[in-house]
Amino acid sequence: NAGVTQTPKFQVLKTGQSMTLQCAQDMNHEYMSWYRQDPGMGLRLIHYSVGAGITDQGEVPNGYNVSRSTTEDFPLRLLSAAPSQTSVYFCASKVRDSTNEKLFFGSGTQLSVL
Amino acid sequence: TQLLEQSPQFLSIQEGENLTVYCNSSSVFSSLQWYRQEPGEGPVLLVTVVTGGEVKKLKRLTFQFGDARKDSSLHITAAQPGDTGLYLCAGSLYNNNDMRFGAGTRLTVKP
Repeated sequence: NAGVTQTPKFQVLKTGQSMTLQCAQDMNHEYMSWYRQDPGMGLRLIHYSVGAGITDQGEVPNGYNVSRSTTEDFPLRLLSAAPSQTSVYFCASKVRDSTNEKLFFGSGTQLSVL
Repeated sequence: TQLLEQSPQFLSIQEGENLTVYCNSSSVFSSLQWYRQEPGEGPVLLVTVVTGGEVKKLKRLTFQFGDARKDSSLHITAAQPGDTGLYLCAGSLYNNNDMRFGAGTRLTVKP
């Protein structure tokens, strides 16, 4: 199984540009989420989804949009990139919305906004 | 301020030494998880602790959940270079979906 696949691996944007980070999982997981990881800050939850058609905000949602039209895909959109969004972004999924379930992570997207 | 405070932030030791890293909070968690992350990769789950006072062992790694379910520790016996990585604790407070992570402990084990 491929697990959680993120694309692209690296991206450089100029301030004000828009882009979509792609995330796909082939494990039929109900729950998917996006995190950003910054030095000294750990992983911070941006948005999450408990199933197709359902999304909700996490700890740091401003500047990001998400949608969940299928179980497999959960793209993250930056509508107008800002230097503060320079970070490493991780997509994760798990079987369901339970605290004891294992989160499966993708390998990350390193984003630089100039 | 972080919901989960991890200490130390950095730890560099020689192969064969023992070490303990800590994950503390003023809040009560229903469970805590420990992940390990290597450069260029996403975190990978090591263990989930659920019951206050619980101790789980995974080969040379021992995980403990505090009696009050506010803190946890990870002890590594006879560390090896392969243990090098970023160790993260994670827990959920308000619902099952909002999983919060600590900032991590970056461990380097020198041969």
